[in-house]
Amino acid sequence: GQNIDQPTEMTATEGAIVQINCTYQTSGFNGLFWYQQHAGEAPTFLSYNVLDGLEEKGRFSSFLSRSKGYSYLLLKELQMKDSASYLCAVRGKGNNRLAFGKGNQVVVIP
Amino acid sequence: DAGVTQSPTHLIKTRGQQVTLRCSPKSGHDTVSWYQQALGQGPQFIFQYYEEEERQRGNFPDRFSGHQFPNYSSELNVNALLLGDSALYLCASSLVDRVSNTEAFFGQGTRLTVV
Repeated sequence: GQNIDQPTEMTATEGAIVQINCTYQTSGFNGLFWYQQHAGEAPTFLSYNVLDGLEEKGRFSSFLSRSKGYSYLLLKELQMKDSASYLCAVRGKGNNRLAFGKGNQVVVIP
Repeated sequence: DAGVTQSPTHLIKTRGQQVTLRCSPKSGHDTVSWYQQALGQGPQFIFQYYEEEERQRGNFPDRFSGHQFPNYSSELNVNALLLGDSALYLCASSLVDRVSNTEAFFGQGTRLTVV
C-alpha cells in the first residue's frame, strides 16, 4: 500500500518563496508527481521526479529523495494566482495509478 | 487538441439511484483512470481501463463499475447511490508507454451531489 503525507495549509506573501513538503511510504515506487488544483477545477501537472535530485521548471522546482521517501515543491516569486491546493502523488511500480496526498492549500496574500 | 473532457459537469441524484459519468481522453491517449475526490481531500483511485478492460482497481465497492469503448472513451457507473458518494469525480488519461513514463492529464471533473 501507499501512504502520502502533506501539511494541510500555509499562507505566504506575494513575491516570497514557499516550500511544500511531501513524505511517502510505498511498497513500490515509479515516480512522484506534483499537481496544482484551483478550487473547483481539475488538477494540472506541475512536475515529475523519478530519480533523486532537483528538477527546475521556471518558478517551480521539485526535489526527490527516494531513500528518505521525501519530496518538496518550491514555488518562487509567488503570485496571487498561485493560491491553490498542491497535490503530491506517487505512482506505484508496474502500474499507472496515482496515490495522492490530501493536498496543501497555499494562500498568497498581498 | 482537445484535452480530457468529462460530462456532465454537475449532477444531482437521489439516494438509491444510479448514475453514469462519461470521459473522453486526450487525443492519442489509450488509458483512462477514474478518481473520486471528496471535499478537502486528495483524489482516490477507483479503477483504470486499458484495451477495454479493467486493469487495476482501488478500494471501492462493486457498486462502482466502468467500461471503456474502442475509441478509448470511458464510463463510470455507480449503483445504489449513497450520500457519501457525493464528490468530484475525475477522469485522467495517459499513454501506456513501456519506454518512458508520462503524466496523467485530468478532466475538469463531474461534481456529483447525492441528496
